[in-house]
Amino acid sequence: GDSVTQMEGPVTLSEEAFLTINCTYTATGYPSLFWYVQYPGEGLQLLLKATKADDKGSNKGFEATYRKETTSFHLEKGSVQVSDSAVYFCALSDRGFQKLVFGTGTRLLVSP
Amino acid sequence: DGGITQSPKYLFRKEGQNVTLSCEQNLNHDAMYWYRQDPGQGLRLIYYSQIVNDFQKGDIAEGYSVSREKKESFPLTVTSAQKNPTAFYLCASSTQITDTQYFGPGTRLTVL
Repeated sequence: GDSVTQMEGPVTLSEEAFLTINCTYTATGYPSLFWYVQYPGEGLQLLLKATKADDKGSNKGFEATYRKETTSFHLEKGSVQVSDSAVYFCALSDRGFQKLVFGTGTRLLVSP
Repeated sequence: DGGITQSPKYLFRKEGQNVTLSCEQNLNHDAMYWYRQDPGQGLRLIYYSQIVNDFQKGDIAEGYSVSREKKESFPLTVTSAQKNPTAFYLCASSTQITDTQYFGPGTRLTVL
């Protein structure tokens, strides 16, 4: 079945450092890909999405490119802030049932 | 403001009791979903509903039940048959046209 694999956390960075969180997927067909962010004690917020190969999703300085040849959707940000500290989830959509398949999440900790 | 509300935010249950978690949305979305989140794991789908008066089991439906009598509402009942109900429960919704899901703030259920 479909699956999503994310890098283990926590990822610990200093403010203004460059961020990469790796995400790879296995899917039949051509899923949409998503990054969601979860702050402590809250629900998930959609961060960005991409619906087809070579699409780049972007929001709040975060970017991710849908790479079909490497089945990847890595999240990047050029300069992280303390307020970016959260758990980040990569997910794909099974278009047939609109079901989301999630990775296990990667915790990001940014220190001043 | 349009959005998804879940209540209560925290819920405590004694073993052997059924409890119902509320989920309401005013986004006019057709589809609604329930997920369970456990520490260090991704989200797992419990039930979903694509239209009123219809719903399907997700990956971990045993010990749970739902109803969808109104478009805006999708309550989840955690029954005494659920062996390990302590978790964070998230409700989501989406339109039929897009596969982007939007999440509520969650309910944390603890069994005493």
